[in-house]
Amino acid sequence: DQQVKQNSPSLSVQEGRISILNCDYTNSMFDYFLWYKKYPAEGPTFLISISSIKDKNEDGRFTVFLNKSAKHLSLHIVPSQPGDSAVYFCAASTTGNTPLVFGKGTRLSVIA
Amino acid sequence: EAQVTQNPRYLITVTGKKLTVTCSQNMNHEYMSWYRQDPGLGLRQIYYSMNVEVTDKGDVPEGYKVSRKEKRNFPLILESPSPNQTSLYFCARGWGATYEQYFGPGTRLTVT
Repeated sequence: DQQVKQNSPSLSVQEGRISILNCDYTNSMFDYFLWYKKYPAEGPTFLISISSIKDKNEDGRFTVFLNKSAKHLSLHIVPSQPGDSAVYFCAASTTGNTPLVFGKGTRLSVIA
Repeated sequence: EAQVTQNPRYLITVTGKKLTVTCSQNMNHEYMSWYRQDPGLGLRQIYYSMNVEVTDKGDVPEGYKVSRKEKRNFPLILESPSPNQTSLYFCARGWGATYEQYFGPGTRLTVT
């Protein structure tokens, strides 16, 4: 039973355009959400997070949106750059020191 | 510089030959965990540790052991490796299970 779903295994976007990566979750107890980026031959790196008390969090070119009623979050990258090409993982957790639950990842390719 | 160190980075071994992958962190974080990454399956947690001498199973613990005798080290032990344990392994550290975790560079293990 997959609690965190990234339904698009891959996404291609032109340089300079917006990249939108989506993530759905089933556990209504999740209240903290994170995005990680992973390059080949490296460990995942933390990108941005959002608490369930917010519906938007922004950090430079990266914005995460949370729609609690739809149990959906998305990561927007504007403008997309070739260096953004990587696998992006969505993760979720509940307060109370429970481990993160990761999605299967979406491979983003930004084409110059 | 805050780091998570894993050794070895690459390992090819044979079925049944016991091996240990070491993980060390220099941030005095209480929380450490092990993940494996497989194509199409994303990141799956193997074991985690909330503190010294406190460990617990993740989603895919079968065939693995861990120990946490001191805060900085969290080795992953495969007592009798099998080919289905061929994977990319990541160790991670954090202040707690719920929030951002910081990953090591990964260990690529091949069991023949």
